[in-house]
Amino acid sequence: NAGVTQTPKFRVLKTGQSMTLLCAQDMNHEYMYWYRQDPGMGLRLIHYSVGEGTTAKGEVPDGYNVSRLKKQNFLLGLESAAPSQTSVYFCASSQQGYFSYEQYFGPGTRLTVT
Amino acid sequence: GIQVEQSPPDLILQEGANSTLRCNFSDSVNNLQWFHQNPWGQLINLFYIPSGTKQNGRLSATTVATERYSLLYISSSQTTDSGVYFCAVEDDKIIFGKGTRLHILP
Repeated sequence: NAGVTQTPKFRVLKTGQSMTLLCAQDMNHEYMYWYRQDPGMGLRLIHYSVGEGTTAKGEVPDGYNVSRLKKQNFLLGLESAAPSQTSVYFCASSQQGYFSYEQYFGPGTRLTVT
Repeated sequence: GIQVEQSPPDLILQEGANSTLRCNFSDSVNNLQWFHQNPWGQLINLFYIPSGTKQNGRLSATTVATERYSLLYISSSQTTDSGVYFCAVEDDKIIFGKGTRLHILP
């Protein structure tokens, strides 16, 4: 089992460019999450999904969109990147429950917006 | 909103030492988890512990929900325990603390 994988691992964007981050899990988990981590901070939830075809906003959703067309994949999109979106992005999945089950994390994507 | 405070912010210990990390939260919560982020950035779930005590090898955790705190105990520290330890709570929102940075010296 690969667990949770993220693509790409690193990316540099210019302000205004768009990109999509891909998260994939092979554990048949229902819940998937996207977080961002800024220097010296804990994680902040951007969006999450409670199952295939569903998405919901987390604490910092502005400037991001998500889609969960397949159960194993959760995509995070930036339509018009801004320097404030420079961060490390982590994807996670859990078997069930919003935060009531163990979360498994991907290795992260380091995004720099210049 | 709910506040999550972790202490101490930084901790340097010699290999073999024991340590206690604390997480205080300002209101009642539905769930609580502890995570370890290693020096390479990988996040690992340590405990799901909304109340009570759990143990996993050299690590154990206790949450006293009525008093709004949780403790993470690390015994016989090893250099591989280095990294940042995060506490996170859920009260409809998922809120992470800023973490305790632990450095274990060989």
